[in-house]
Amino acid sequence: DVKVTQSSRYLVKRTGEKVFLECVQDMDHENMFWYRQDPGLGLRLIYFSYDVKMKEKGDIPEGYSVSREKKERFSLILESASTNQTSMYLCASTYGKTEAFFGQGTRLTVV
Amino acid sequence: GENVEQHPSTLSVQEGDSAVIKCTYSDSASNYFPWYKQELGKGPQLIIDIRSNVGEKKDQRIAVTLNKTAKHFSLHITETQPEDSAVYFCAASKRGSYIPTFGRGTSLIVHP
Repeated sequence: DVKVTQSSRYLVKRTGEKVFLECVQDMDHENMFWYRQDPGLGLRLIYFSYDVKMKEKGDIPEGYSVSREKKERFSLILESASTNQTSMYLCASTYGKTEAFFGQGTRLTVV
Repeated sequence: GENVEQHPSTLSVQEGDSAVIKCTYSDSASNYFPWYKQELGKGPQLIIDIRSNVGEKKDQRIAVTLNKTAKHFSLHITETQPEDSAVYFCAASKRGSYIPTFGRGTSLIVHP
C-alpha cells in the first residue's frame, strides 16, 4: 500500500518560531508538493520539487522554504511563523503525470 | 497559467439522488483531469480520472464527462449515499507539465 506520511497531524507553535513540517513517501516518486488548504480557497501550491535538491516556487511561496536532500523526503520550513500561516498543510507526490498521493495533512496553529 | 473553476462550492442532496459537480479550465493544452475526494480528517484521494482522448469514463456509481471544445468536465455521482459526503476537488494538468491545478472544492452533503 503506497504511502505519503506527514510527521505530525496537529501542531501548535508560537509566533516567530521556526517550524519544520516533514513528509516522506515510499513510492520512489520524482515529484513532491506542498499545498496549503484553507476554507473557500481550495488547495494552493506553496512549493514543489521534481528531483533531489531541486525546488520551484508555487503560487504562494512567501514566508516558506523547502528542502529535499533525499528523494523520499520533502520538508516545508516556516522561517518565522506568523498567525496568518495557521492552516492545513498537505504534502503530495506523483510519478510523472499521474494521480497525486496525499498525506493525511498537518493542521498547524500559530498563536 | 492554468485556471480551474469549480461549482458549486456546496451541494446538498437527499440520499438516493444524483449529484453533479462541474469544472471549467482555461488552458486548451490540459489533457489530464483527475477528481479527488477528501473525507474529514484525511488527505484527498483519487476517485476517478480522465484523459483528453476520452469523452466519458464510469466506475460503478461515479462517472466523469469531458467536453474539450467547451473546456469543461463534470463529476456525476448516482444513487448517493451518506458516505459520499465529503469535499470533492477537480484538477487539470496540461501537456508537458506534471503540476496539477486544483479547483476550490465542493462540499457534498448527503442527507439520510
